[in-house]
Amino acid sequence: DTAVSQTPKYLVTQMGNDKSIKCEQNLGHDTMYWYKQDSKKFLKIMFSYNNKELIINETVPNRFSPKSPDKAHLNLHINSLELGDSAVYFCASSQDSGAKNIQYFGAGTRLSVL
Amino acid sequence: AQTVTQSQPEMSVQEAETVTLSCTYDTSENNYYLFWYKQPPSRQMILVIRQEAYKQQNATENRFSVNFQKAAKSFSLKISDSQLGDTAMYFCAFMTYNNNDMRFGAGTRLTVKP
Repeated sequence: DTAVSQTPKYLVTQMGNDKSIKCEQNLGHDTMYWYKQDSKKFLKIMFSYNNKELIINETVPNRFSPKSPDKAHLNLHINSLELGDSAVYFCASSQDSGAKNIQYFGAGTRLSVL
Repeated sequence: AQTVTQSQPEMSVQEAETVTLSCTYDTSENNYYLFWYKQPPSRQMILVIRQEAYKQQNATENRFSVNFQKAAKSFSLKISDSQLGDTAMYFCAFMTYNNNDMRFGAGTRLTVKP
């Protein structure tokens, strides 16, 4: 069974559309994260959630909104997509917040905005 | 600001030989973790090894070991007996104890040649 699963794996869409990426973890973890990997492979954290509370929120545009219906899910909703949003988005989870907790990553969602 | 630098964009090694990937970081914190993640062509991010800053002993995981030099802020990864399956991007990452903001380096693309 996949520990951290993301859907879809690939997403191709037009500028201006609204899209969501889903993430689910079956590890019983309390903290989940979203990362963005740009075309140069640089990974940067976007959000993390612990027990449905936003812990950090990097300087991402407010077009991006994380939504957590329960602690096993952290979905990423993106409004008014722009060309620069094209990237690979990774979901991750850890037992708790803080560095001593190993983060487990999903396989990523490649978003292409045309 | 905490930064992670990987100065080798690409490296290659012959199968069965040893290779070392370098990583330096900059921080004023004393308590932190360092990580090496592997990203094979499948895109999955996999934790290879991690080191807690207060531990002087270098971490090892089978064929993977690190050379952690705290004073020099250096954290290199040594891969012994390289295998074809080690071909991947390798990311060095840094995280302070009480912060969820994991900082990644730009990555080193390692190719293991038969």
